[in-house]
Amino acid sequence: NAGVTQTPKFQVLKTGQSMTLQCAQDMNHEYMSWYRQDPGMGLRLIHYSVGAGITDQGEVPNGYNVSRSTTEDFPLRLLSAAPSQTSVYFCASSYSLGGTVTQYFGPGTRLLVL
Amino acid sequence: AQTVTQSQPEMSVQEAETVTLSCTYDTSESDYYLFWYKQPPSRQMILVIRQEAYKQQNATENRFSVNFQKAAKSFSLKISDSQLGDAAMYFCAYRSGMDSNYQLIWGAGTKLIIKP
Repeated sequence: NAGVTQTPKFQVLKTGQSMTLQCAQDMNHEYMSWYRQDPGMGLRLIHYSVGAGITDQGEVPNGYNVSRSTTEDFPLRLLSAAPSQTSVYFCASSYSLGGTVTQYFGPGTRLLVL
Repeated sequence: AQTVTQSQPEMSVQEAETVTLSCTYDTSESDYYLFWYKQPPSRQMILVIRQEAYKQQNATENRFSVNFQKAAKSFSLKISDSQLGDAAMYFCAYRSGMDSNYQLIWGAGTKLIIKP
């Protein structure tokens, strides 16, 4: 049981380039989400998915796309990278038990856009 | 909209002593959940402790306990017998009990330094 995995761990992009951050979980969780973490700020939700085929926008969705073709995978695509997207990106999957929700986070991807 | 505030950007404590991290939140809801997460240098987010708002008893997990003051909307984390491995960023988070999408609202974090 690997939990939540993310690749790559670190990436450098030039402005205007596109790329996909991969996220996978093997816990059969329906809910998955993408956050970005910037210095001095809490995690901000980019996009989330409540199940395969269903995605929705979070707090800061501009410049990012997601898809959820399977329960396991939830990739995040940067369409045209900008320096403002330099950040650490976390993928998380969640389950609810007895009313409480537990989020499992991946190890994060550090992205630098030049 | 709900907000979570952590007013201490950084805290330091001597090893083996006790430290308390503050968190306040703002909500008009009565049903919600509160969490403390730890983020060590490895950057992985680790759940430390959770509290259901409907429970009056404060949650405890080994050396970690919370002081949940619902009326004051305060949710502080107490770490007893601090260890070097406790050094990390600590984040407070809120989840609405009515939110079926499991979204969390996060504080900005507190950096905890452990002095040997």
